[in-house]
Amino acid sequence: TQLLEQSPQFLSIQEGENLTVYCNSSSVFSSLQWYRQEPGEGPVLLVTVVTGGEVKKLKRLTFQFGDARKDSSLHITAAQPGDTGLYLCAGVGDNYGQNFVFGPGTRLSVLP
Amino acid sequence: DSGVTQTPKHLITATGQRVTLRCSPRSGDLSVYWYQQSLDQGLQFLIQYYNGEERAKGNILERFSAQQFPDLHSELNLSSLELGDSALYFCASSSGTSGIVHEQYFGPGTRLTVT
Repeated sequence: TQLLEQSPQFLSIQEGENLTVYCNSSSVFSSLQWYRQEPGEGPVLLVTVVTGGEVKKLKRLTFQFGDARKDSSLHITAAQPGDTGLYLCAGVGDNYGQNFVFGPGTRLSVLP
Repeated sequence: DSGVTQTPKHLITATGQRVTLRCSPRSGDLSVYWYQQSLDQGLQFLIQYYNGEERAKGNILERFSAQQFPDLHSELNLSSLELGDSALYFCASSSGTSGIVHEQYFGPGTRLTVT
């Protein structure tokens, strides 16, 4: 069974600070995705990374896929209160979209 | 708007009852996933369907069942409900086609409260 771990579990920071959250596994994934979920709503896809070592940027968010495709990180620069939410990583184990595994999430709170 | 619809948005029922949650995937998506999310918990994968066939099963209780119909909408049936079944239930869809990146698009969820 493929498992994903995320750290930290909770993070509370002041507006303007930088932060990095991590997603780790002992398994190799064909691709990995990051989602953000706000309370009472469904997760919203932020990015998909496919190639080992790949780096993608989405405004102030930088996503990196590990060289071995087992881990990923999300870095937020100059965090804003609008970044508050639950950040979930999800790994896809095969080309048919099976073995889709979500991590437990990092709950981020950005204080004004 | 993800293009995935779920009904009803809220559902309140009593223990021992049975309910049906409905999901319509994005246009063109063949794969549907169901997830359960309890308060302050992550997403627990329940089951996946692809073009009408069950493709993967997660931690789905025997009291729960699902199906995907020819028009690709899906229903999740929860029976003999217990207090612990109170949760948000999400449906997500993806293309499901081999060889491409599988990105899931989530519906707004159904909040089930069992009293």
